[in-house]
Amino acid sequence: LAKTTQPISMDSYEGQEVNITCSHNNIATNDYITWYQQFPSQGPRFIIQGYKTKVTNEVASLFIPADRKSSTLSLPRVSLSDTAVYYCLVGDMRADDKIIFGKGTRLHILP
Amino acid sequence: NAGVTQTPKFRVLKTGQSMTLLCAQDMNHEYMYWYRQDPGMGLRLIHYSVGEGTTAKGEVPDGYNVSRLKKQNFLLGLESAAPSQTSVYFCASSYSMGGYMNTEAFFGQGTRLTVV
Repeated sequence: LAKTTQPISMDSYEGQEVNITCSHNNIATNDYITWYQQFPSQGPRFIIQGYKTKVTNEVASLFIPADRKSSTLSLPRVSLSDTAVYYCLVGDMRADDKIIFGKGTRLHILP
Repeated sequence: NAGVTQTPKFRVLKTGQSMTLLCAQDMNHEYMYWYRQDPGMGLRLIHYSVGEGTTAKGEVPDGYNVSRLKKQNFLLGLESAAPSQTSVYFCASSYSMGGYMNTEAFFGQGTRLTVV
């Protein structure tokens, strides 16, 4: 399992785009990159997953450079309700990898 | 479709008591997980299962036991509760049987356990 490094916390304002970068220097060839969101008193919720280049869904975009040693979660035009902890995970579930969470990034959106 | 359901939602135990937390999923998922989350911390994996009848240790397995007798259920047991086991416990399930993409995990709403 590749170890991940994220900023401990970030602040931003409503309406801005927020980018959270995750470092995973030891990512393996078959590993996928997955991001989860957790609100207080709730279980984490899947946001987005990717292997390379760019992935976009209705919630976020995920940018992965060619070397895959990092990834960036992009949240467009955030609102107060985006205040949460965001976790970056790396692994290959087809290889029975355990889903291991780090401490995540605590994102605080200000009005 | 209920997803992942944890029972109970809250519990207070006295030191030395035992209890079992139940996790049930109705998505026919192969993989199930138990995590604990302490205040201000990330989730730590206690035990997990990659299929019916299988279990494996995670990051912090000591003091806990698990069983997966039925595919849809994953039980977490505390034989002799200690104050250090005061935490919020989350169960999750996921499906990964081939396919091109890895798949997401679905989480329950958590069980808040206090050991006094």
